[in-house]
Amino acid sequence: EPEVTQTPSHQVTQMGQEVILRCVPISNHLYFYWYRQILGQKVEFLVSFYNNEISEKSEIFDDQFSVERPDGSNFTLKIRSTKLEDSAMYFCASSEGDRYSNQPQHFGDGTRLSIL
Amino acid sequence: ELKVEQNPLFLSMQEGKNYTIYCNYSTTSDRLYWYRQDPGKSLESLFVLLSNGAVKQEGRLMASLDTKARLSTLHITAAVHDLSATYFCAGYQGAQKLVFGQGTRLTINP
Repeated sequence: EPEVTQTPSHQVTQMGQEVILRCVPISNHLYFYWYRQILGQKVEFLVSFYNNEISEKSEIFDDQFSVERPDGSNFTLKIRSTKLEDSAMYFCASSEGDRYSNQPQHFGDGTRLSIL
Repeated sequence: ELKVEQNPLFLSMQEGKNYTIYCNYSTTSDRLYWYRQDPGKSLESLFVLLSNGAVKQEGRLMASLDTKARLSTLHITAAVHDLSATYFCAGYQGAQKLVFGQGTRLTINP
């Protein structure tokens, strides 16, 4: 069964450094997402991406964050200057369509980001 | 703004027993999703509930949706150890943003 793949599985970074999290969505999917889960808390939406542009973003997704689809397969999340509170598990997800497609979003295994 | 509340947040059960996880949501939603998460792992889609009265079953798990009551339930029948996981319900706010409940951490003891 096709799956969303994320790399790396664990990233340790010094505060203030830039970090790029990478994802390969399912190949025929059109919508791409990033969510994060701080340890022990609920999963929170960050951003959705469709047709090569951001379609929705949350208040968490400020100017420190950016997303890109640099080629036909990868989808990246960049955090420009990391803070301690960015430590979390970051999940990439993809879906065939939006809410009205009746299909679920499919999630990758996540990247655990630890900021020191 | 959609709020999704699950209860209980922690559930410890004996194998062979039945139990129900409840998911209440704050605004009208025509669909509801259930996901399972094993420790340190991804969220696996379990059920997609698309209409009022929808009921889906997979093995020992059964999910239902009552849009009028803004309630979904996940019922576990004759629990077995390998159902131990955290279960999340989620609804859409807008066309693309999934809003998750807090999760219910289910532990099934022999």
